[in-house]
Parts: sequence; structure tokens; C-alpha cells
Amino acid sequence: AQTVTQSQPEMSVQEAETVTLSCTYDTSESDYYLFWYKQPPSRQMILVIRQEAYKQQNATENRFSVNFQKAAKSFSLKISDSQLGDAAMYFCAYRSAELYGGATNKLIFGTGTLLAVQP
Amino acid sequence: KAGVTQTPRYLIKTRGQQVTLSCSPISGHRSVSWYQQTPGQGLQFLFEYFSETQRNKGNFPGRFSGRQFSNSRSEMNVSTLELGDSALYLCASSLADRGHAEAFFGQGTRLTVV
Repeated sequence: AQTVTQSQPEMSVQEAETVTLSCTYDTSESDYYLFWYKQPPSRQMILVIRQEAYKQQNATENRFSVNFQKAAKSFSLKISDSQLGDAAMYFCAYRSAELYGGATNKLIFGTGTLLAVQP
Repeated sequence: KAGVTQTPRYLIKTRGQQVTLSCSPISGHRSVSWYQQTPGQGLQFLFEYFSETQRNKGNFPGRFSGRQFSNSRSEMNVSTLELGDSALYLCASSLADRGHAEAFFGQGTRLTVV
């Protein structure tokens, strides 16, 4: 079974600074997707960024980028130029690709990292 | 394009009652998944429906059930409510094809069992 681990329950960053959130996962599959979701106090789960395992290039979305290390099964999220609106709970999530056991959209989540942004 | 809509947003029920939650996916999305979020257990997968068929189920008791209609709208039902069922229930929809692996979430239904 796949597992996702986020070892940082809480992180803090100064506004305009850079912060990196860690995520490791365990799987025997070679093809899968990884995601970072943000959950602000409103509780709406918002997709931040996605990575496909077969793509070696790290995904980037504006101020958000990932460091995907497939061999190490590591998937960290870097937030540059942090803004007050980035304060939220961040979840790392794993999804199998369609090759395994048929298509599925089941997401396996980590326990989350609560990010505080200090003005 | 409208997002994922969950109704109701808040619900208070008594132990032993049953409850039905509704989820309308993004137009064109045929996959709907449900998750339970609690402080103690985090985010746990309940089940997934695709084209009116349940194709994946999490480790929850039979009191939790769901269904999907021909317009892709989904409902989940919890019977004989227990205090431990108090949680935020999130619904996610997806196009469910190789090029669109993302799931988009609704705002959730906050269920309180008293």
C-alpha cells in the first residue's frame, strides 16, 4: 500500500521569504501522480501543483515549485516570495496512474503542514 | 465554469439518525470521490464513483454508502450516526483521464453529530 509522510506539522516563514515543505512517500509503483493541495481556514481544498512521475522535469506554477526526487521518493514544495495569503494547511497527495488496478482517482494524503506567514 | 458544489454546508444531527450529503461535480467530470477529514485521522478516502459505478472503496463500515446519478451528481449516506462521524466531508471531481489527473474539491459539508 502507498503511504505519504509529511514530517513537519508546522512551519513559519517571513513575508517575502522562501520556505520549503517536505513530503516523502512510499510506493512500489513506477507511474503515479503527486500533488500539493492548500487548505486555508475556509476549508476549501485548492490544488497548488502537480507532478507526473514519468516526467523528470520539476513542476513550477508561478511562485510554487517542487523538487521531485523519484529515487529518494521525495516531493518537496518550495514557496518563493511568501505572501500572507499563503498561510494555510498544505497537504501532499499521491495518486496511482491508470496502469495499476484500473483507473482510479483515489488520493492518499499526508497529515499536512500548517504554514504560518509572519508579516 | 462552476466548481464543485456540496450541499448542505453545515449539518447537525443526533446519534442514531441518518444523513445524506450531496455533491455536484464540475460539468463534464464523471468521477466523484468522497473524503472524510477529522483532526485525529486526517483525510481518509471513502469511495469513488465513475459513470454511476463505485470503482473504489475505502476502509469504512457499511453505514457509509454512496451513489452516483446519470448526470454525475453524487450523494453519500451515513446511517445510524455515531459521535465519531462528526467531520468535514469533502467531495472531489475529476475528468479521470490521463491528461487530467487533478481532482477539484468542493467546500465540504461540516457534519456535527450530537
